Amino acid sequence: GQQVMQIPQYQHVQEGEDFTTYCNSSTTLSNIQWYKQRPGGHPVFLIQLVKSGEVKKQKRLTFQFGEAKKNSSLHITATQTTDVGTYFCAGPKSGGSYIPTFGRGTSLIVHP
Amino acid sequence: DAGVIQSPRHEVTEMGQEVTLRCKPISGHNSLFWYRQTMMRGLELLIYFNNNVPIDDSGMPEDRFSAKMPNASFSTLKIQPSEPRDSAVYFCASSLVGVYGYTFGSGTRLTVV
Repeated sequence: GQQVMQIPQYQHVQEGEDFTTYCNSSTTLSNIQWYKQRPGGHPVFLIQLVKSGEVKKQKRLTFQFGEAKKNSSLHITATQTTDVGTYFCAGPKSGGSYIPTFGRGTSLIVHP
Repeated sequence: DAGVIQSPRHEVTEMGQEVTLRCKPISGHNSLFWYRQTMMRGLELLIYFNNNVPIDDSGMPEDRFSAKMPNASFSTLKIQPSEPRDSAVYFCASSLVGVYGYTFGSGTRLTVV
């Protein structure tokens, strides 16, 4: 089945610095989703990307889907302490499946 | 909308005991997922139901685990007998097929001693 790999596993930043997490797949993805999980919380859906080369923005968050639809990134500009948490990407388990398979996540630690 | 509701929030049980986790999906959602989260293995899919029918249970660890969805508004995940290695946070998530995003419940933190 489909597997998505995420890097880095952890990222420490000073408040105000930028942050990027990357998601890679060995096969083409029909779509990719991003979730955020606060410490002690549950994953919360952020966005889904479907089109090759797609870029979407949510305030300070920018999501990109690669041209080959095998990779994606999440970039946060000027991090804040409220950005702390683990960011997961999820791709379909296989082909046109509706079952999301999650990457291991990138834990963001923001130092004030 | 109350979201996906899971109970209990925390469960501590002794090895060998039966554990039942419960989930109420969002009304109108036709897909339900059970995930397990641990530091070692991350978020693992256990089972996926569509319209109350189990579609993919390839992630269910072994026969000690069973899941049911008797109707559109309720699902259970049962572990019998429980073992310490089952300690994890178990999440239920629901969605409407074809609509973006999956909504997770708050999870059940299971500790087996």
